[in-house]
Amino acid sequence: NAGVTQTPKFRVLKTGQSMTLLCAQDMNHEYMYWYRQDPGMGLRLIHYSVGEGTTAKGEVPDGYNVSRLKKQNFLLGLESAAPSQTSVYFCASVGPGADTQYFGPGTRLTVL
Amino acid sequence: SQKIEQNSEALNIQEGKTATLTCNYTNYSPAYLQWYRQDPGRGPVFLLLIRENEKEKRKERLKVTFDTTLKQSLFHITASQPADSATYLCALLSASNYQLIWGAGTKLIIKP
Repeated sequence: NAGVTQTPKFRVLKTGQSMTLLCAQDMNHEYMYWYRQDPGMGLRLIHYSVGEGTTAKGEVPDGYNVSRLKKQNFLLGLESAAPSQTSVYFCASVGPGADTQYFGPGTRLTVL
Repeated sequence: SQKIEQNSEALNIQEGKTATLTCNYTNYSPAYLQWYRQDPGRGPVFLLLIRENEKEKRKERLKVTFDTTLKQSLFHITASQPADSATYLCALLSASNYQLIWGAGTKLIIKP
């Protein structure tokens, strides 16, 4: 099992550009999450999904959109990137009835 | 306000000694608290979970305590090794809204 994978690993965008981050998991987990991690701050939840076809807003959803068309994939989109979105983005998944979050390796995004 | 605090300063410990990390919280009713390890450039990895009605949990050289009166969890690594050097994150699940709130982490450095 690959666990949770994220693509790309690094990306540099210019202000106003758009991009999509892909998260994939092969553990058949229902719940998936997108977090951002900034220096000196705890992980902050952007959006999450409790199952295929469902999404919900987290703590910091503004400027991001998500989709969960397939159970194994959770996409995070930035429609018009801003420098404030420079961060490391982590995807995580949780199995049914479980509490452990399994994280991907992260995507380091820089917005100039 | 609600917050979770971990010591932002790095903790330097001599190899073989016990390392103790602290996680304090305010204004939460916890369902449980988790500890994760994060290595540079990687996603967090789950270590231990302790529920609000548990005082202590152990796993090999790791021990977690939970004092809901003091609103504090302590994470201990006994017989520390240089390979234990990493950033350790605590995360608390709020019993009121089932949100997982993350601390910013403490960097642990084990010196040979």
